[in-house]
Amino acid sequence: ILNVEQSPQSLHVQEGDSTNFTCSFPSSNFYALHWYRWETAKSPEALFVMTLNGDEKKKGRISATLNTKEGYSYLYIKGSQPEDSATYLCAFRGGSGGSNYKLTFGKGTLLTVNP
Amino acid sequence: NAGVTQTPKFQVLKTGQSMTLQCAQDMNHEYMSWYRQDPGMGLRLIHYSVGAGITDQGEVPNGYNVSRSTTEDFPLRLLSAAPSQTSVYFCASSRTGVGYGYTFGSGTRLTVV
Repeated sequence: ILNVEQSPQSLHVQEGDSTNFTCSFPSSNFYALHWYRWETAKSPEALFVMTLNGDEKKKGRISATLNTKEGYSYLYIKGSQPEDSATYLCAFRGGSGGSNYKLTFGKGTLLTVNP
Repeated sequence: NAGVTQTPKFQVLKTGQSMTLQCAQDMNHEYMSWYRQDPGMGLRLIHYSVGAGITDQGEVPNGYNVSRSTTEDFPLRLLSAAPSQTSVYFCASSRTGVGYGYTFGSGTRLTVV
């Protein structure tokens, strides 16, 4: 069983604050790292899929970086808004050949943005 | 496009009953999977499929059965429901290439009493 760790477990910030979370994953047999946004009572939605060491992705105020050699990824939110409140999941896709289809998810970081 | 459609949304079963959770996608995705989500546990992979006729086990396969007779459908069968199978179940699909994220269904909340 692969170990994908996310920290912190939860985070409360004020509207306008910038924040970041961490995802740690195995540094061997890396294939891809996914980030998802999961709002209450909805389904997870893909934010980013990152495949190369040093990758940086950006979507609006949200960005992510990837370090496959040391096994971590950061998700940044600039100028948090109440609508950013959600659980942010990362998921590791590793292995080779026929075993690299599976995603192993972390437990998520629950972000609450107070107006 | 409907995306990934899961039925039913809610279900209550008695211990020992069997049932099938349905999952269908209309995006021609090769890869389909079933996850369960339990408090404090995150999403855990039950079974997955990389194409019609091909299935494999995930992290927590015991008590569940799957088949993939078409690209579109990937049903999950509970053979003899147990209270430990009370959970929220998500079906997800994607293309098999490395750069594709998953599309999730809306989930099925199952309670086994």
